[in-house]
Amino acid sequence: DVKVTQSSRYLVKRTGEKVFLECVQDMDHENMFWYRQDPGLGLRLIYFSYDVKMKEKGDIPEGYSVSREKKERFSLILESASTNQTSMYLCASSSVGGNTGELFFGEGSRLTVL
Amino acid sequence: SQQGEEDPQALSIQEGENATMNCSYKTSINNLQWYRQNSGRGLVHLILIRSNEREKHSGRLRVTLDTSKKSSSLLITASRAADTASYFCARSYIPTFGRGTSLIVHP
Repeated sequence: DVKVTQSSRYLVKRTGEKVFLECVQDMDHENMFWYRQDPGLGLRLIYFSYDVKMKEKGDIPEGYSVSREKKERFSLILESASTNQTSMYLCASSSVGGNTGELFFGEGSRLTVL
Repeated sequence: SQQGEEDPQALSIQEGENATMNCSYKTSINNLQWYRQNSGRGLVHLILIRSNEREKHSGRLRVTLDTSKKSSSLLITASRAADTASYFCARSYIPTFGRGTSLIVHP
């Protein structure tokens, strides 16, 4: 069964802390994505990656960075968490092959910054 | 920029009725995809329609695409309480999403 796994379902952090959100996929997908989802705003793309060590900014990259050292793992980093980063974070992956671009999502990580 | 915008934002129907939701997008597409999200969970892919297709069926789902109007619709026939979820459209490859349509199906 194909899977995208996000390391934590729920996290509570304090303002100014460094936060790591980890995402691992077991489908050998080239593409990986990080979104945040907020009520009334839908899903917004933060960063994506087409390959190892490669990253591209999405629509709202400010306050975030990413790391992709291995093909299966894509990490989202909040260098100094702020309360406005309280949100649901969703990781997804897709394959270049197959010509569909279907996304496979993790279950999400709900982050609360106090 | 949100590529897909779903309409209506909320839809409430009775079991057995049909549910129709619409999607508008801004730029040319190769494929358009529809996803479903149960409350508090990740999104799950439902169906893809290619730019050279006008209609596609999968079980109780029917998707149409009008590239001249840059719009798509998702029809769920004979809805069930288990269809209660949010529904999103997105183009392929660098998928961006709208706010979704929140569907509630009353038993």
